[in-house]
Amino acid sequence: AQKITQTQPGMFVQEKEAVTLDCTYDTSDQSYGLFWYKQPSSGEMIFLIYQGSYDEQNATEGRYSLNFQKARKSANLVISASQLGDSAMYFCAMSLEGGSEKLVFGKGTKLTVNP
Amino acid sequence: GAGVSQSPRYKVTKRGQDVALRCDPISGHVSLYWYRQALGQGPEFLTYFNYEAQQDKSGLPNDRFSAERPEGSISTLTIQRTEQRDSAMYRCASSLAAITDTQYFGPGTRLTVL
Repeated sequence: AQKITQTQPGMFVQEKEAVTLDCTYDTSDQSYGLFWYKQPSSGEMIFLIYQGSYDEQNATEGRYSLNFQKARKSANLVISASQLGDSAMYFCAMSLEGGSEKLVFGKGTKLTVNP
Repeated sequence: GAGVSQSPRYKVTKRGQDVALRCDPISGHVSLYWYRQALGQGPEFLTYFNYEAQQDKSGLPNDRFSAERPEGSISTLTIQRTEQRDSAMYRCASSLAAITDTQYFGPGTRLTVL
């Protein structure tokens, strides 16, 4: 069964600096998708970025990039030029192609951006 | 509306009562998912539909939980004879179709069972 591990319960970063949130995954499947979601204190789940297992290039979306290292089974989220509004919980998730299509989530990392 | 909507946003009920939670997906989205999120945890899968067909209900914790999507659009998650341990945020998500299509989440229903 697939599993997502986020080892950082909390992270702090200074405004305007970059921060990396760690995510490792475990699956024996060759085809899968990796996602990051942001959950601010308001409780919504906001999609940030997606990486397919066969994508050769790392995904980027504005200030978000996904550092995908397939051999190490890691999919770290990099946020550049942190803003106060980036303070939130961040969840890494995985889905399997050809499987039940459900997302399996990690426990999340709480990011705090300091002014 | 443009996003996934859920109602009610908050539900307080007494133990033993039945509750029905509603999800209205993004228009045109084929796949619909239900998740449950405990405080301080990531969402956990409950069940999902393609059109009106329930494709996977392996995450439903027991037979008190059921879901339907009779016309392939709006879905209802029903919890019968609620128990205190059912208290959680129930989230619905929808996606356009394929396996790696992004799932977009609704605001959730916060269920409290007294």
